[in-house]
This record gives sequence, structure tokens and C-alpha cells, in this order.
Amino acid sequence: DQQVKQNSPSLSVQEGRISILNCDYTNSMFDYFLWYKKYPAEGPTFLISISSIKDKNEDGRFTVFLNKSAKHLSLHIVPSQPGDSAVYFCAASAWRSGTYKYIFGTGTRLKVLA
Amino acid sequence: DSGVTQTPKHLITATGQRVTLRCSPRSGDLSVYWYQQSLDQGLQFLIHYYNGEERAKGNILERFSAQQFPDLHSELNLSSLELGDSALYFCASSDEASGLTDTQYFGPGTRLTVL
Repeated sequence: DQQVKQNSPSLSVQEGRISILNCDYTNSMFDYFLWYKKYPAEGPTFLISISSIKDKNEDGRFTVFLNKSAKHLSLHIVPSQPGDSAVYFCAASAWRSGTYKYIFGTGTRLKVLA
Repeated sequence: DSGVTQTPKHLITATGQRVTLRCSPRSGDLSVYWYQQSLDQGLQFLIHYYNGEERAKGNILERFSAQQFPDLHSELNLSSLELGDSALYFCASSDEASGLTDTQYFGPGTRLTVL
């Protein structure tokens, strides 16, 4: 049962345009969401996060939007740059019974074309 | 360079064997996390240790165990290995305890191949 889904395994975008990466979750108990970027042969790098009490968080070229009613979050990268080409993972987490769940999506490979 | 080191970089072993993966967190970080990235299941959270104590457990098999030592390095032990255990194993560290909201810094990973 995949509780966090990234339905697009890959995405190609022209340099300078907007990249939109999507993530859906099934469990309403998740209350904190994160995006990670991963280059080949390297570990993931934290990108941006959002708490469920917000619907938007912005950091430079990166903005994460959260739609709790639709159980959907998206990462917008504007403008996209060739260096953004990587695999992007969304993750969702929640406290439960003194510990927490931490579930990742399967990733979306972004290719930014020069 | 995240400051998190993992050894070995590559490991090839046979089914039924036992291996130990090692992680040294960034200087000053008290939390260590372990993740598994396999081809078909993406990135999975395995376990989180904070200052030597287990903090949270994810989808970690009973054949796997971990510990964090007084010097804060951590080891992930994988036993009775199966072909399906072949994966990239990442360690991450952070300076806080919550896990959920911490910024985690990932190591380069250990690639385990079980033949």
C-alpha cells in the first residue's frame, strides 16, 4: 500500500520554464511534508518542507503548495535550471503513539533541457 | 559533501550472509537515520537513533538491526541476506531529536549487492 505517491516517474522541462512536481498521499494523519533532491551517486539533499498548518512555503526558486482537502502537494521550481535535473522525492510524516511514520514517494526524475 | 560518511561504498556478498554497514554522522549531530533505496520500492525509512536511543522505527525487517554507539557512529546489521536486500543503504544525520522537522544530511550511501 503506497501511502505517498508520485505518479509521474519523469518530467522534462525547458530551461527557464516552470517545473511542477506532484505528490499525493492517502493518509490524513500526515502533518509534515518534505521534498528531497537526489543526484546520481549521491545521497538525497533536503530541499524544502511544509507543515500541514500552512498551504504554501517558499524558498528562493522553490515553492511547495499543500492542498489538504485533496491530499496533494506540489513543488514548483521557477525558473528551472539545468542543474535542477535530478530525482525529486516527496516525503510525509506524522507522530503516532510516541513515535512517527516517515514515508517517501517513489520519486520523479526531472530533466531540464538547455 | 554533507559531512556524513558511510563505509563501505560497495559490498558484494552471498545469500544467507551477514554484513555490517557503518555511518559516521556530521560533527555535533546526535541523530542518525537509516534508509533503504531499492529499485522497486523507492526510498524507505528504516530506523532513527538519537544519542544512542532508538527514536523511531519504519519498515525495518526483523533480520536487520541497528545501534548507535557512544561516539555517535551507527551500524546497520543485515543478516540472513536475501536477493531482495540488494539496494542502496543511506545514512543521514541531524542535530535534533524529532526526526520529522529536522533537516537531515545524507551520506553517499552503501551499495549492497547480494548474489
